Amino acid sequence: DTAVSQTPKYLVTQMGNDKSIKCEQNLGHDTMYWYKQDSKKFLKIMFSYNNKELIINETVPNRFSPKSPDKAHLNLHINSLELGDSAVYFCASSSRQGHTEAFFGQGTRLTVV
Amino acid sequence: AQSVTQPDIHITVSEGASLELRCNYSYGATPYLFWYVQSPGQGLQLLLKYFSGDTLVQGIKGFEAEFKRSQSSFNLRKPSVHWSDAAEYFCAVGAMNSGYSTLTFGKGTMLLVSP
Repeated sequence: DTAVSQTPKYLVTQMGNDKSIKCEQNLGHDTMYWYKQDSKKFLKIMFSYNNKELIINETVPNRFSPKSPDKAHLNLHINSLELGDSAVYFCASSSRQGHTEAFFGQGTRLTVV
Repeated sequence: AQSVTQPDIHITVSEGASLELRCNYSYGATPYLFWYVQSPGQGLQLLLKYFSGDTLVQGIKGFEAEFKRSQSSFNLRKPSVHWSDAAEYFCAVGAMNSGYSTLTFGKGTMLLVSP
């Protein structure tokens, strides 16, 4: 039983394309996140959703658009992909918007060529 | 703003030897602290967390960490390292951001285990 699952695990695409990454959690959590891990392994929050509502948007270009159809799903759509978007994207969830631990998915390695 | 410093980019330890990974944080209020481990090609797995109470916390896989407020530190320790412990280790602080909590991570420490 995978708690937080992301698809696809690997994504290779050309510059200028539009792509989506899907995330689902079966933990019953209210809060979901997207994190970006760059080539130096640095992890940074991108977005946070609580009960399908956007809570945090950390100065991410508007080419990135998260969508939460329900509180168990948080998808990430990226328009007009650029070389600098190459990274590993992690979805995570936590039980509430407080100081609780986050549970992470396996990550999606996006490579833009 | 909160921050986390992991001063060691990588550490090599012999199998069976003890391990200490350093973590210093900066946060104006009571911190909520975490250690995560990332094996190659994998997601992040929570090792342990500190919210309050006993400053020495036990985690999974034989890891422990000690919160020292006076030093703003939360170092991770293991008495005897196994080859399977080779991975990237991240320290994180949970902090309030616009009224909601997010994790701020350090840059990670890569642990290499030699035979």
